[in-house]
Amino acid sequence: NAGVTQTPKFRVLKTGQSMTLLCAQDMNHEYMYWYRQDPGMGLRLIHYSVGEGTTAKGEVPDGYNVSRLKKQNFLLGLESAAPSQTSVYFCASSLAGWDTEAFFGQGTRLTVV
Amino acid sequence: QKEVEQDPGPLSVPEGAIVSLNCTYSNSAFQYFMWYRQYSRKGPELLMYTYSSGNKEDGRFTAQVDKSSKYISLFIRDSQPSDSATYLCAMKTGTNAGKSTFGDGTTLTVKP
Repeated sequence: NAGVTQTPKFRVLKTGQSMTLLCAQDMNHEYMYWYRQDPGMGLRLIHYSVGEGTTAKGEVPDGYNVSRLKKQNFLLGLESAAPSQTSVYFCASSLAGWDTEAFFGQGTRLTVV
Repeated sequence: QKEVEQDPGPLSVPEGAIVSLNCTYSNSAFQYFMWYRQYSRKGPELLMYTYSSGNKEDGRFTAQVDKSSKYISLFIRDSQPSDSATYLCAMKTGTNAGKSTFGDGTTLTVKP
């Protein structure tokens, strides 16, 4: 039982390049989330999903797209990376329901130069 | 104005001290209150989870919620160097797909 696994752990991109971050969970959770964390700031929600085939925008969705084709995977895409997207990205998942705990992955450190 | 404001820190205390970490919030719809601990270069992990006003104790940790004042606290007794981490408060309503709103975090250092 690995919990929430993020791939890759580190990445350096040039401005304008694209990439996909993968989040995989093996806990059969319905809800999945993508956050970004910048220095001195808490976690800000980018996009989330309440089930396979569903996605919704969070607080800071611009410049990102997501897909949830399989229940266990949640992909975050950057179509044309910008330096402002340099951040640490965290994926989280939780059981359906408002009274459940969110489990986080270890993070992906992305630098856009 | 942010929905959740957290005392910024950083906080440095000697080993054995009592630590108080605090957050205020403006959204009266928040019903669930969490504290996450985040070690350097790691993902957050849930430390305490409370619902409604009152205190909840777990070992050396006590979470306190005062909904009338929109104020939550985390107390750490007999602090240890292993408690050195960033602490994030988080809150959510009873709806909204379980989305949490986080404070900016307080970095705590416990010196031996």
